[in-house]
Amino acid sequence: DIQMTQSPSSLSASVGDRVTITCRASQSISSYLNWYQQKPRKAPKLLIYAASSLQSGVPSRFSGSGSGTDFTLTISSLQPEDFATYYCQQSYRDYTFGQGTKLEIK
Amino acid sequence: QVQLVQSGTEVKKPGSSVKVSCKASGGTFGTYAINWVRQAPGQGLEWMGGIIPMFGRTNYAQKFQGRVTITTDESTTTAYMELSSLRSEDTAVYYCARIKSGSRGDMDVWGQGTTVIVSS
Repeated sequence: DIQMTQSPSSLSASVGDRVTITCRASQSISSYLNWYQQKPRKAPKLLIYAASSLQSGVPSRFSGSGSGTDFTLTISSLQPEDFATYYCQQSYRDYTFGQGTKLEIK
Repeated sequence: QVQLVQSGTEVKKPGSSVKVSCKASGGTFGTYAINWVRQAPGQGLEWMGGIIPMFGRTNYAQKFQGRVTITTDESTTTAYMELSSLRSEDTAVYYCARIKSGSRGDMDVWGQGTTVIVSS
């Protein structure tokens, strides 16, 4: 099985901050990496697919990069509605999610 | 625009089975995969398995092999996930999610979730 490790597990930041979340795969997954945002009691929402492609309707302050084993999700200027939990997911072989990164207001 | 609507909350006894439905509207059912992901209270997301209705082909996570069955009914554009031999650790919210044909496995449309509570 391919393991996905996110860091940090939690993060405190302020509105307007630039935030980066990292995700590491236990083996190379090329660019088969997706990012999701989840708010409490809601289904996950796709933000980024194929490592760096922005899903339709997602604000451009979200961006993704990386390939192989190391990936990042960046939010360029945090907005109040961005405080949520973020998950990476590999789709190279079956599907595995990272453990999540909870983004909280400082 | 594809929408996925799931069945309601279930309360089950340990050892029993649960069958959750996911009705699709919009799009062309059968041409995309439906996958199931669960989330235990306060925990992360866990992929359980999926199906491509057009081919009837299923793929299950090793952890759930032998205990989960995913099916579809194309006449009603509904997918089902049945989990057997329930235990307390199966208490979770269960989501269905779509993966488009030709995509790289991103789940772009999700159901609203179904809460399954396993308790004696």
